[in-house]
Amino acid sequence: GAGVSQSPRYKVAKRGQDVALRCDPISGHVSLFWYQQALGQGPEFLTYFQNEAQLDKSGLPSDRFFAERPEGSVSTLKIQRTQQEDSAVYLCASSPSPGVGNIQYFGAGTRLSVL
Amino acid sequence: GQNIDQPTEMTATEGAIVQINCTYQTSGFNGLFWYQQHAGEAPTFLSYNVLDGLEEKGRFSSFLSRSKGYSYLLLKELQMKDSASYLCAVSPLSGGYNKLIFGAGTRLAVHP
Repeated sequence: GAGVSQSPRYKVAKRGQDVALRCDPISGHVSLFWYQQALGQGPEFLTYFQNEAQLDKSGLPSDRFFAERPEGSVSTLKIQRTQQEDSAVYLCASSPSPGVGNIQYFGAGTRLSVL
Repeated sequence: GQNIDQPTEMTATEGAIVQINCTYQTSGFNGLFWYQQHAGEAPTFLSYNVLDGLEEKGRFSSFLSRSKGYSYLLLKELQMKDSASYLCAVSPLSGGYNKLIFGAGTRLAVHP
């Protein structure tokens, strides 16, 4: 019974470096979300996929952030030219279907530190 | 605008009862979730309320008043393992999918 898996768990990047964060959702889950969680704060919505379609990217903080889910399963969040303010935990969540009230199942996150 | 408020920190004694409050103002409402998050781990689902009233699930209960924009999570018979952050999250109107807006979380410390 695999849950949501994220890799790597920890990533240290030098300022200006590009990074790619991977999310393996629960098999068969239609909906996939990315959140950013700063230290001591709650998760903040970044983007939403329904299968392979990115339906909402309103939370992406800048055009340096890009997400994809080309085959409707695994998703990658890419951050170009990382800045110190990008340091945070990036959480992925999946849900069986898009309907309201559906539970989101979270991964343990990738902790990104930009030096 | 969207605003979710909950206390930053709470402490309680093992075996006691604690109530964590959450108030919200959001553009539309499709339900309120509570999640538990231990340090360095994934948030895990605790409860979901969409109608007014109390939902009970073992040692945990959650209450919702939509007219007051208010919810609470009640934890009974506290155990040391209940020391964690508790996240209140609202599902706003958002095109038919279950996007969540989270509060900053309440860090609960349970002492012997």
